[in-house]
Amino acid sequence: EDKVVQSPLSLVVHEGDTVTLNCSYEVTNFRSLLWYKQEKKAPTFLFMLTSSGIEKKSGRLSSILDKKELFSILNITATQTGDSAIYLCAVVPNAGNMLTFGGGTRLMVKP
Amino acid sequence: ETGVTQSPTHLIKTRGQQVTLRCSSQSGHNTVSWYQQALGQGPQFIFQYYREEENGRGNFPPRFSGLQFPNYSSELNVNALELDDSALYLCASSLERSGRAVNEQFFGPGTRLTVL
Repeated sequence: EDKVVQSPLSLVVHEGDTVTLNCSYEVTNFRSLLWYKQEKKAPTFLFMLTSSGIEKKSGRLSSILDKKELFSILNITATQTGDSAIYLCAVVPNAGNMLTFGGGTRLMVKP
Repeated sequence: ETGVTQSPTHLIKTRGQQVTLRCSSQSGHNTVSWYQQALGQGPQFIFQYYREEENGRGNFPPRFSGLQFPNYSSELNVNALELDDSALYLCASSLERSGRAVNEQFFGPGTRLTVL
């Protein structure tokens, strides 16, 4: 059974801090790993990672995948209060398109 | 916003009742997946519909069933509701070709179901 574990469960930081969120996985026939941000209801897509060692970047957010050690990290630099959300990591198998999600990391950024 | 819509936004039911949740996929997408997200947890995959047929199912009992219509919209039906069915139900649409996802899944805003 595919498994995704995220850490930490929750995190409280102050504006301007840098945070690193972790996602480790066990999946049969891995195809890709996705990061989503969930503020109120709908998770919104951040990154899709398929290859090891290639950093994906979008503004202050970046992410990288290590397929040998089976993990990914999501970095947020110069955090803002608007970054407060639950960050979800999910893996996609090679066959089919059903996502297996981790439990999420709840990030709170204080002014 | 992703263009995926869900209705209703909130729903309150009692144990034993039946519920139908609806999802309209984003334009150009042909696949709809349903997820259950209990409070404080990540979404759990229920099932996926592609070309009006179930195309994969998670670890949910048969009282969870679904439909996909020719316009790719979808319904999730839950019979004999239990207290533990209280959750946010998310649908996600995507485009598949030959059994492979062409793009990532785009989520709707969800339906918050409370079972009393």
